[in-house]
Amino acid sequence: EAGVAQSPRYKIIEKRQSVAFWCNPISGHATLYWYQQILGQGPKLLIQFQNNGVVDDSQLPKDRFSAERLKGVDSTLKIQPAKLEDSAVYLCASSLDPGNQPQHFGDGTRLSIL
Amino acid sequence: DQQVKQNSPSLSVQEGRISILNCDYTNSMFDYFLWYKKYPAEGPTFLISISSIKDKNEDGRFTVFLNKSAKHLSLHIVPSQPGDSAVYFCAASGIGGNQFYFGTGTSLTVIP
Repeated sequence: EAGVAQSPRYKIIEKRQSVAFWCNPISGHATLYWYQQILGQGPKLLIQFQNNGVVDDSQLPKDRFSAERLKGVDSTLKIQPAKLEDSAVYLCASSLDPGNQPQHFGDGTRLSIL
Repeated sequence: DQQVKQNSPSLSVQEGRISILNCDYTNSMFDYFLWYKKYPAEGPTFLISISSIKDKNEDGRFTVFLNKSAKHLSLHIVPSQPGDSAVYFCAASGIGGNQFYFGTGTSLTVIP
């Protein structure tokens, strides 16, 4: 079974620029998550999709972050404009359904803001 | 507010001995708990989970213990192997499991 795919693996941009990340979940997984992991911290949920609908985006900074999951499969996360504090690893995860079952993570995109 | 806490940033253990990683949580509504293992430059990998209706779950060398009254869980690795060297995150979710809260991680080093 192919795992969660993410691209790019690394991205370096200057503050105030925009950036986008892509995620392809495990086939058949209806639930998709985007997490932000700042160095030395655990992953923090940004947004959760169930198919192509948003379940929880309460911790997404909506003035600069946006995410979509068209057709209920792939997803993109965008930051515009980026700030220095957005430097982090952005992790995508998926699970068959929401609820009490493990989430499977991709390898993440490491974002550095100069 | 950190609802899941791992107070030990690092742990070193001799190969063959037991590794015990600890995790505390504050929210009594959490009912599902997981441990993830993370190697550098990779995403977290699911290791083992436990539901609040149980107090122990085993999978090979890995055992998770849950003490609901103390709001504490621990991961035991016996025997520890050098390949177990990684960062271990505990996570918890409430009823419905919509949001997982992660601890800050414990870096385990198993010394050959």
